[in-house]
Amino acid sequence: DTGVSQDPRHKITKRGQNVTFRCDPISEHNRLYWYRQTLGQGPEFLTYFQNEAQLEKSRLLSDRFSAERPKGSFSTLEIQRTEQGDSAMYLCASSSGTQGGGYTFGSGTRLTVV
Amino acid sequence: GENVEQHPSTLSVQEGDSAVIKCTYSDSASNYFPWYKQELGKRPQLIIDIRSNVGEKKDQRIAVTLNKTAKHFSLHITETQPEDSAVYFCAATYLNDMRFGAGTRLTVKP
Repeated sequence: DTGVSQDPRHKITKRGQNVTFRCDPISEHNRLYWYRQTLGQGPEFLTYFQNEAQLEKSRLLSDRFSAERPKGSFSTLEIQRTEQGDSAMYLCASSSGTQGGGYTFGSGTRLTVV
Repeated sequence: GENVEQHPSTLSVQEGDSAVIKCTYSDSASNYFPWYKQELGKRPQLIIDIRSNVGEKKDQRIAVTLNKTAKHFSLHITETQPEDSAVYFCAATYLNDMRFGAGTRLTVKP
């Protein structure tokens, strides 16, 4: 286990299509986070899981977005009816849950909606 | 919620000079302050962090200071090298909520 893995690295989709991204966290990390990053900005929090429970969702996460972590291991982020404004880098991070511990980020999935 | 401001947005220094990036935060409950370095097209990587019970931490050429009263913290890089060129993000965390600054693009000119 060398870190947080995300798949795919790049995704180009037509407006209106659905897309799904996958994140495999570090195996011993029980916390998993999704962030979105647009050019020139810092990562923006989307949602967070502790084990399989989704404990927090940002208001940035509209009803077109859904995230799951069914077995407390990997997570998926689905965007339905994509819009051009969804184009961004989607970053996944995991942590061990130690209060105030650092996150390990994946390489991200770059989504382009055309 | 937490709001993190970061300055400057861009910083250019000559190789060997020092670089300082400053951040302020709004939520006095925040207790963990990491700094991430992100090179073009790569993931953010943790370079140093500080907890609220410490005022300063140093790791080789990198140091971070925290002023809890004023709610600001800073990253100091000494003897900068061209490979330090990247975007640096500060963050403030309370429990599981980590909020990032907008980033500082550091360019180190050889």
